[in-house]
Amino acid sequence: NAGVTQTPKFQVLKTGQSMTLQCAQDMNHNSMYWYRQDPGMGLRLIYYSASEGTTDKGEVPNGYNVSRLNKREFSLRLESAAPSQTSVYFCASSERRAGGGWNEQFFGPGTRLTVL
Amino acid sequence: QKEVEQDPGPLSVPEGAIVSLNCTYSNSAFQYFMWYRQYSRKGPELLMYTYSSGNKEDGRFTAQVDKSSKYISLFIRDSQPSDSATYLCAMIDYTGTASKLTFGTGTRLQVTL
Repeated sequence: NAGVTQTPKFQVLKTGQSMTLQCAQDMNHNSMYWYRQDPGMGLRLIYYSASEGTTDKGEVPNGYNVSRLNKREFSLRLESAAPSQTSVYFCASSERRAGGGWNEQFFGPGTRLTVL
Repeated sequence: QKEVEQDPGPLSVPEGAIVSLNCTYSNSAFQYFMWYRQYSRKGPELLMYTYSSGNKEDGRFTAQVDKSSKYISLFIRDSQPSDSATYLCAMIDYTGTASKLTFGTGTRLQVTL
């Protein structure tokens, strides 16, 4: 049981290049999330997918797109990378709770992205 | 002003000390309050969570929530070098079907021998 996996672990891009960060979970969770973590800013939500087939913007969606490929996989795409997107990116997943309440989010190990 | 404020530290304490980590928040709609622990170059992992006001204890860790003051705390007793990590508070205003967390910036803790 690998939990949440992310690829790649590290990436260096030049300004204007594009790339896709991959995330997969094997816990059969309905909800998945993408965060970025920057010094002094904490973790900020970029996009989330409450269930397969749906995606919604979080706090900082500009410059990103997402695809919920199936229940297991949720990818994050940078179409034209900018130095401001240098960050550590975390994917997370949780079970959906139809009646309210909260379920724990499980995080992946992160992708360290540098945009030159 | 950020919705959640947390002292970034770093906080350095000797082994065996009692550690107090704190967050304040402004959104009175927050219902669930969590503490995540993040080791260097790893993803965050849930340490404790509480619902509404009150205390919750788990071994050496105690989480405290005071909704009237919009203030939450995490106490670590008999701190160990293995507790050295960044501690992130997080909160949720549960809407719809997805749990959107709002995080503090994290406090870096170093427990020295």
